[in-house]
Amino acid sequence: NAGVTQTPKFQVLKTGQSMTLQCAQDMNHNSMYWYRQDPGMGLRLIYYSASEGTTDKGEVPNGYNVSRLNKREFSLRLESAAPSQTSVYFCASSEPQHFGDGTRLSIL
Amino acid sequence: GQSLEQPSEVTAVEGAIVQINCTYQTSGFYGLSWYQQHDGGAPTFLSYNALDGLEETGRFSSFLSRSDSYGYLLLQELQMKDSASYFCAVRTDSWGKFQFGAGTQVVVTP
Repeated sequence: NAGVTQTPKFQVLKTGQSMTLQCAQDMNHNSMYWYRQDPGMGLRLIYYSASEGTTDKGEVPNGYNVSRLNKREFSLRLESAAPSQTSVYFCASSEPQHFGDGTRLSIL
Repeated sequence: GQSLEQPSEVTAVEGAIVQINCTYQTSGFYGLSWYQQHDGGAPTFLSYNALDGLEETGRFSSFLSRSDSYGYLLLQELQMKDSASYFCAVRTDSWGKFQFGAGTQVVVTP
């Protein structure tokens, strides 16, 4: 099915470990986004990419890096995970924004 | 600073009408979107208003007044499956950057 695919769906890390969240879309959208959602809160933009080869910071970029590998793929990297980064991470492409199913990330 | 304000929770009975308001103060404004999110699920797109006025899609309608920095989502003929969180989101630049409100939890009771 067409849409946004995120991997992994669940992950547990230890403080200081690194990992990359993967996102791919097959709708030929130019823009892609990474959000985090904490309990009882809305989505906060971490980074976005308006087109292949460009990335920009959102509201909460600290502790994260991104790569727009090609038009389809947009990855999010945590270089040194911290407990404050425990959250649900959503990737989206637009427009209108279509969301992946999310990655539930816990950092111990 | 930038902000989007919406009520935290609304409760209504099946068959009723619910209006969720959203007021915004952002550095740029290109349009207002609404999303629905069920517990444990991903947000799904409901509507987008770039111009003033009312947009109707089935049981859901969305309204925008740019002069008042205000919009609302109207849910009619409420059904149990409408129990979810609803988020307003402002598109703040021409590249498609969005800022989301904290969400309104709608609880539908029998």
